[in-house]
Amino acid sequence: GESVGLHLPTLSVQEGDNSIINCAYSNSASDYFIWYKQESGKGPQFIIDIRSNMDKRQGQRVTVLLNKTVKHLSLQIAATQPGDSAVYFCAEKTSGTYKYIFGTGTRLKVLA
Amino acid sequence: SQTIHQWPATLVQPVGSPLSLECTVEGTSNPNLYWYRQAAGRGLQLLFYSVGIGQISSEVPQNLSASRPQDRQFILSSKKLLLSDSGFYLCAWSEGGDQPQHFGDGTRLSIL
Repeated sequence: GESVGLHLPTLSVQEGDNSIINCAYSNSASDYFIWYKQESGKGPQFIIDIRSNMDKRQGQRVTVLLNKTVKHLSLQIAATQPGDSAVYFCAEKTSGTYKYIFGTGTRLKVLA
Repeated sequence: SQTIHQWPATLVQPVGSPLSLECTVEGTSNPNLYWYRQAAGRGLQLLFYSVGIGQISSEVPQNLSASRPQDRQFILSSKKLLLSDSGFYLCAWSEGGDQPQHFGDGTRLSIL
């Protein structure tokens, strides 16, 4: 999503439902992608990554999907819990470079 | 296991004063090191990165500088702080290649 001023796009989901957070990346040469979770006042925490030779990768309660054709990345969280409330960032990187390019972030709110 | 330490956690400084933020990494050798700034409700802006001792790449020309005096130590400095330097400063490390970055807990800097 796109950020407008200081307002991050927000996704509100009911506790127990599945969450899908989307990210559009810009560089067609990017071949490594990462999802981070950032809680208030803390640094981003690594969740899951995926390389461009894969379309899907699963972790514990999380799945990352990569669609290189449309340059789209998504993070699916199963059975969303209150502790999942945070800001989620995607990041992209190109092999042979040192820089990671971060998206603007999506705030996930879990409703009890 | 690897750990990253940043200090101080919060800092309040007057305009025109100097700055020194320190970051150290333990449990790894020759990490790539990064400094980011994050404005409230925004994404991460890369300031500096280093792929070796004494090597610094600057991404944003401004009154900040970085140094890497030791393999696992990264320092962010300023001789004279501006109001616009306020923000949340994050240090990160990576092993290089297609590996995720790992972040410290950040320093919240307020300039008065």
